[in-house]
Amino acid sequence: TQLLEQSPQFLSIQEGENLTVYCNSSSVFSSLQWYRQEPGEGPVLLVTVVTGGEVKKLKRLTFQFGDARKDSSLHITAAQTGDTGLYLCAGEGGGSNYKLTFGKGTLLTVNP
Amino acid sequence: GAVVSQHPSRVICKSGTSVKIECRSLDFQATTMFWYRQFPKQSLMLMATSNEGSKATYEQGVEKDKFLINHASLTLSTLTVTSAHPEDSSFYICSARPELGVDTQYFGPGTRLTVL
Repeated sequence: TQLLEQSPQFLSIQEGENLTVYCNSSSVFSSLQWYRQEPGEGPVLLVTVVTGGEVKKLKRLTFQFGDARKDSSLHITAAQTGDTGLYLCAGEGGGSNYKLTFGKGTLLTVNP
Repeated sequence: GAVVSQHPSRVICKSGTSVKIECRSLDFQATTMFWYRQFPKQSLMLMATSNEGSKATYEQGVEKDKFLINHASLTLSTLTVTSAHPEDSSFYICSARPELGVDTQYFGPGTRLTVL
């Protein structure tokens, strides 16, 4: 069974601060995805990383995939109140079933 | 593109009744769809993988006779919660994986089920 440890579980910061969310596993994933979820809505895909060592940027968000494809991080620069939400990492193990293993999520609150 | 819809968005039912939730991929075909449930302030837990034209594959601990899944076409999967009880109250979310080309899943907006 593949497990993804996501940390921290809760994060409350002031607007303008930087933050990093981590996703770690002992398993190798063929790809890893980051989602953001608002209360009462489905997760919205932010990015998919596939290649070990890959770095992707989405405005103030920077995503890294570890060289061994076992871990990933999400870094937000100069957080805004609109960044508040539940951030989820999910790894796809490969093979033909395409199942995603989700981390427990990081509930981010950005205070004005 | 890549829009997934769910219907209904919210449903309240009495204990013992059955509830059907639909998941549709609106602008792409999906050989594989997934059903998740999510409890408050928790992550998504995969319930089953729905494959068009074949039986669903259920995760360990998920009762296949209680959560009936039908994937009748490349754009529609349904989840029926049979003889629902209050402990089945949850947020049910589906996702769909495009048949071709894209290595990702797109999620529906979720269905809030409340069993009284």
